[in-house]
Amino acid sequence: EVQLLESGGGLVQPGGSLRLSCAASRFTFGSYAMNWVRQAPGKGLEWVSAVSASGGNTYYADSVKGRFTISRDNSKNTLYLQMNSLRAEDTAVYYCAKDLGGYFGSWGQGTLVTVSS
Amino acid sequence: SYELTQPPSVSVSPGQTARITCSGDALPKQYAYWYQQKPGQAPVLVIYKDSERPSGIPERFSGSSSGTTVTLTISGVQAEDEADYYCQSADSSGTYIFGGGTKLTVL
Repeated sequence: EVQLLESGGGLVQPGGSLRLSCAASRFTFGSYAMNWVRQAPGKGLEWVSAVSASGGNTYYADSVKGRFTISRDNSKNTLYLQMNSLRAEDTAVYYCAKDLGGYFGSWGQGTLVTVSS
Repeated sequence: SYELTQPPSVSVSPGQTARITCSGDALPKQYAYWYQQKPGQAPVLVIYKDSERPSGIPERFSGSSSGTTVTLTISGVQAEDEADYYCQSADSSGTYIFGGGTKLTVL
């Protein structure tokens, strides 16, 4: 069974930075595109970013473009999300999700990011 | 980018059929997917490519598509089906979008 384990969440001040990681196991990580999806407290799901299997192509939601950077290290089976210039509205649980070709076949349990002073 | 519109809530009694709709202009050209999310848990895929059911998902879950609307149908609803349900699709630029979610209440 696919395993995805997010880490790196926590409390950060507005304008600060944080890097999330997602450790993948039990599948051939380097063969799949990967995504970050977030969910603000009591709100719905919001797709954040995607990266192709090779890492050569990246995609972002307009709400994070220019502030967040997605990347991956296929030798370490790990996905990353570098988040800069954080805002209160970035407060959310961040999930990593395995892309099966336009949709999310497996999800991690999420890591909470709180942006507050 | 476009939007996917879902009703905020749907209520049904146990054993009845629940239908949750999702509307969007791009749905005739793009597949839709459905996720179930229970409180405190990560979402789970229940329908892919409009009407396909992943292994392990009960047969009472089905999906259909007609024009700009896709529908998730849960036949013979059980108490354990009470959850939030989200539709999802993609646009032509390779980005993804979710509907606002529908809270299914089993009365």
